[in-house]
Amino acid sequence: GAGVSQTPSNKVTEKGKYVELRCDPISGHTALYWYRQSLGQGPEFLIYFQGTGAADDSGLPNDRFFAVRPEGSVSTLKIQRTERGDSAVYLCASSFGQSDTQYFGPGTRLTVL
Amino acid sequence: KQEVTQIPAALSVPEGENLVLNCSFTDSAIYNLQWFRQDPGKGLTSLLLIQSSQREQTSGRLNASLDKSSGRSTLYIAASQPGDSATYLCAVSGGFKTIFGAGTRLFVKA
Repeated sequence: GAGVSQTPSNKVTEKGKYVELRCDPISGHTALYWYRQSLGQGPEFLIYFQGTGAADDSGLPNDRFFAVRPEGSVSTLKIQRTERGDSAVYLCASSFGQSDTQYFGPGTRLTVL
Repeated sequence: KQEVTQIPAALSVPEGENLVLNCSFTDSAIYNLQWFRQDPGKGLTSLLLIQSSQREQTSGRLNASLDKSSGRSTLYIAASQPGDSATYLCAVSGGFKTIFGAGTRLFVKA
């Protein structure tokens, strides 16, 4: 079956612009995670969805970051007023449930100029 | 606050060697521990998942152990091959968060 997909694969934007990153999880997976990965580091947790609700958003760096999952499937990570420090690879993962194997998408590489 | 440390940060071995990667974590209240592989410029591939009630898991040439009380896990790779070259990441899940280590970069020389 299809794995986790993320679009776009690459996004270049200018400082101060708004961006949206999309994640399509594996069908039937109720749990969805967003992470951010900088070069040479492990992924950093941002937010966890169980169904439509954000069960834990404590990893979001500040109020410029927001994520939604309105129908319990596709999720969008939204970043307002982007800063150069937001440049990273944004990864999405999904799993059947909270304690199950996470399956990762290929990531979106965000570059803020 | 959960912290995950992986040692060594990088490792280079000749083909055919058996090797051990180490992962330690500070909070033993976890649901599970996962080992992932990441190839350059790619996403993560799950290798093994160990639930908190389990001691080890095996898949092919890979064996992962978990000792919750001491906050340690090891990933054993038998008869390493050049195709095993990648970054190996350890991740612990507790509550709703998953916390990753920085990874071990493995290079297997032919």
